[in-house]
Formats: sequence, structure tokens, C-alpha cells
Amino acid sequence: GAVVSQHPSRVICKSGTSVKIECRSLDFQATTMFWYRQFPKQSLMLMATSNEGSKATYEQGVEKDKFLINHASLTLSTLTVTSAHPEDSSFYICSARDHPRQGAGTEAFFGQGTRLTVV
Amino acid sequence: QKEVEQDPGPLSVPEGAIVSLNCTYSNSAFQYFMWYRQYSRKGPELLMYTYSSGNKEDGRFTAQVDKSSKYISLFIRDSQPSDSATYLCAMNQGGSEKLVFGKGTKLTVNP
Repeated sequence: GAVVSQHPSRVICKSGTSVKIECRSLDFQATTMFWYRQFPKQSLMLMATSNEGSKATYEQGVEKDKFLINHASLTLSTLTVTSAHPEDSSFYICSARDHPRQGAGTEAFFGQGTRLTVV
Repeated sequence: QKEVEQDPGPLSVPEGAIVSLNCTYSNSAFQYFMWYRQYSRKGPELLMYTYSSGNKEDGRFTAQVDKSSKYISLFIRDSQPSDSATYLCAMNQGGSEKLVFGKGTKLTVNP
């Protein structure tokens, strides 16, 4: 299957600082990437859909000014958690589809996830 | 009612057992169904992908979709300790890229 690389895998930051998480599609071009958040024993919650060259689409309840998404190329999307607080501590996961959207059903491949701890 | 319901378990079975994992859903527009395996502190890994109703087999894994009952299953034959993980069902509807996930079922296969 296609490979999606996410970095860093773990990060600890101080409250009030910003953290950037990178998501790269290594062997395919991804016009669309997705960012999820996962709390312990909970399902993946979609935060936003990242489209190459345009603004991200955020899900209801997700603060776009707090979770900045940039999708500058067909292989890279970044999520920046700004002014992080302890309640932002979570597992963040990106995913990408391996070819341009032609209809539903394209498999999504996931990155390894990033464990963010805000102290 | 949540769009996708999945029993979180935990489910514990002996090595070699047949495992049955299930999800129900409420949105009849869902057409594409996936099963992901997630090891602790890792991203989900795609296991099975099916379209509409029917069965799909891949090695020890069989995915079943019953759209009339809005019910999907994943069977694991001859389960191994390395199958111990959380299994997430996911689905989406035609024309939409958004996946809707179940909560995941934590499976432990004991040697």
C-alpha cells in the first residue's frame, strides 16, 4: 500500500507554544489529506480536510485559528497547533488518498500519528 | 444514534480461535466499507476494503457487508498473538471523501 509519513511521532511542548506536525505522502501525490484527532479509547475524529493549493475545510467545532493547516504541495500537509494548552494533548493522525478523486472508494492511508503532550 | 456503532470490547481469545468483529450503521447512503488495524500508539493500517454488499477474503481475513441490515463484519481465522490490536471499521458514501469511523474494538489473542 501507499506510504504516508508523519513527523514527529512524539512531541512535548510547553503551554502557550506552537507545534508543527508534518504529513508526507512518500510514493504518491495526494491532492487531499485529512487530519484526525484521537482520544484514548475513542474513535478518530476528523478535524479538517486539507486541499492542495487552497484553504482547508474544518469540521464543526474545530477552531481554524488554533489548528492551522497548510497544504503547499501534492506531497506535504502541515498541522500547526498554535498557543497549545494541556487540553490539546492528544494523538493526531493524518491520512491521504493515493490518486485524484474520481469517485468514492479510494482507500485512505494513514500516517503513524503524533502524540502531543502539552505541559 | 451514532452513525457507526462498534462494541469497544475488550475481546480476549485464545490463539487459533476464530474472531468476529462487527459494526452497525444508520446511514443507508454508505457504500464503501473498510477495516483498519491499529496497534498501540500507531496510525491505522488498512486491512480490508469492500464495496456494497458481499464478502471479500484475504488470507485469514474475511470482510462481510450486509447493506440490508446495515451490518458489517470482519472475521479472523486462526488468530495469532500478532493480531492483538484495535480494529476500526470505517465507511463512506459515494461522492464523499469523509470516512466515518467506529470506536474500535480492542482484541487480545492469548498464546
